[in-house]
Amino acid sequence: KQEVTQIPAALSVPEGENLVLNCSFTDSAIYNLQWFRQDPGKGLTSLLLIQSSQREQTSGRLNASLDKSSGRSTLYIAASQPGDSATYLCAVMDSGAGSYQLTFGKGTKLSVIP
Amino acid sequence: DAGITQSPRYKITETGRQVTLMCHQTWSHSYMFWYRQDLGHGLRLIYYSAAADITDKGEVPDGYVVSRSKTENFPLTLESATRSQTSVYFCASRFSGRASVRDTQYFGPGTRLTVL
Repeated sequence: KQEVTQIPAALSVPEGENLVLNCSFTDSAIYNLQWFRQDPGKGLTSLLLIQSSQREQTSGRLNASLDKSSGRSTLYIAASQPGDSATYLCAVMDSGAGSYQLTFGKGTKLSVIP
Repeated sequence: DAGITQSPRYKITETGRQVTLMCHQTWSHSYMFWYRQDLGHGLRLIYYSAAADITDKGEVPDGYVVSRSKTENFPLTLESATRSQTSVYFCASRFSGRASVRDTQYFGPGTRLTVL
């Protein structure tokens, strides 16, 4: 059974800092890995999707990398802003499941202090 | 409005009552999902549906029933609510088939359910 772990569970940084969020998964047989953002009381918003054949994806100040063989992904946020404060969730789509299900980590709660 | 909607957004009910949470999407996505989100557990899949009239269990299906008579709707029913079913429930949808691995799931805003 796929397990997804996110470290740290919570992170507080001053505005302007660059930061890295970590995600690890136990089964490397995946179609893709996705990073989502969740604001308090809201649903999930997709940030980046990396297919299994890709090594990284970039969107603005966000860069996500994928090392499938080692079961690791990182989300790099450059020049953090208070508006980046949210919970970030990592999810993998297992290629063996046949139903395109996602397995989620428990998330990293990020606070960017002005 | 286009997108994926859930109703109600908040619901308080009593133990033993039947509750139905509604989910509606306007994209004609084949796949639809129900998750619950709890502190310490993260998001867990309850049920999913690959198409109208096709549903299957996820990780935590006990105590829940789903149906999908129309592609755009995917209601979740708690037949006899228990306190352990107090949670935030999210519906999601996505395209079908292998091409969908290049696309994400789209989530609704959630329903906060409290069972007293």
